[in-house]
Amino acid sequence: DAGVIQSPRHEVTEMGQEVTLRCKPISGHNSLFWYRQTMMRGLELLIYFNNNVPIDDSGMPEDRFSAKMPNASFSTLKIQPSEPRDSAVYFCASTLTSTYEQYFGPGTRLTVT
Amino acid sequence: GIQVEQSPPDLILQEGANSTLRCNFSDSVNNLQWFHQNPWGQLINLFYIPSGTKQNGRLSATTVATERYSLLYISSSQTTDSGVYFCAVESAVGAGSYQLTFGKGTKLSVIP
Repeated sequence: DAGVIQSPRHEVTEMGQEVTLRCKPISGHNSLFWYRQTMMRGLELLIYFNNNVPIDDSGMPEDRFSAKMPNASFSTLKIQPSEPRDSAVYFCASTLTSTYEQYFGPGTRLTVT
Repeated sequence: GIQVEQSPPDLILQEGANSTLRCNFSDSVNNLQWFHQNPWGQLINLFYIPSGTKQNGRLSATTVATERYSLLYISSSQTTDSGVYFCAVESAVGAGSYQLTFGKGTKLSVIP
């Protein structure tokens, strides 16, 4: 069974450009989470969806960040415009809410120059 | 929000040694997971253990929910065990949020 799939795995972009990160959760899972990992702040939750509906986006750092989940098998995290301080590893995770256990994708390493 | 503290922050072991990693949390939890982040950055589920004891090969974990701590035991450590071990919890306050709060991790280095 395929795990959580994220693309791209690496992204290098210039400040001011738009960046779109993609995630495909595990089939059948009904909750999806976006996390960001930096050396300074560790792993922090940005936003999560339940049954494709955004439930809590209080972790989204600024209006430059937006996330969508148009269907149960796809989500995007967009940063526009990107800034060097957005450089981090972005993880997507999914879970079946009846079991709680979260499974993480391989992450996208974003570098904004 | 809930606080998660892990200790020790860093640990160096000789291959074959045993170790215990600790996770303290400040509130009751619905969910507690241990993850291993390998040197390539992948977060791998080790245990889902909001209470009780589980074992998987050389690894085992125990959570004493009433005393708000969890322990991860690694026996006969191997170099492939190197990486960062994270404890993550979901607070029982506001149950049903499914939001995990991560500790800062324990960085384990196993040397041959």
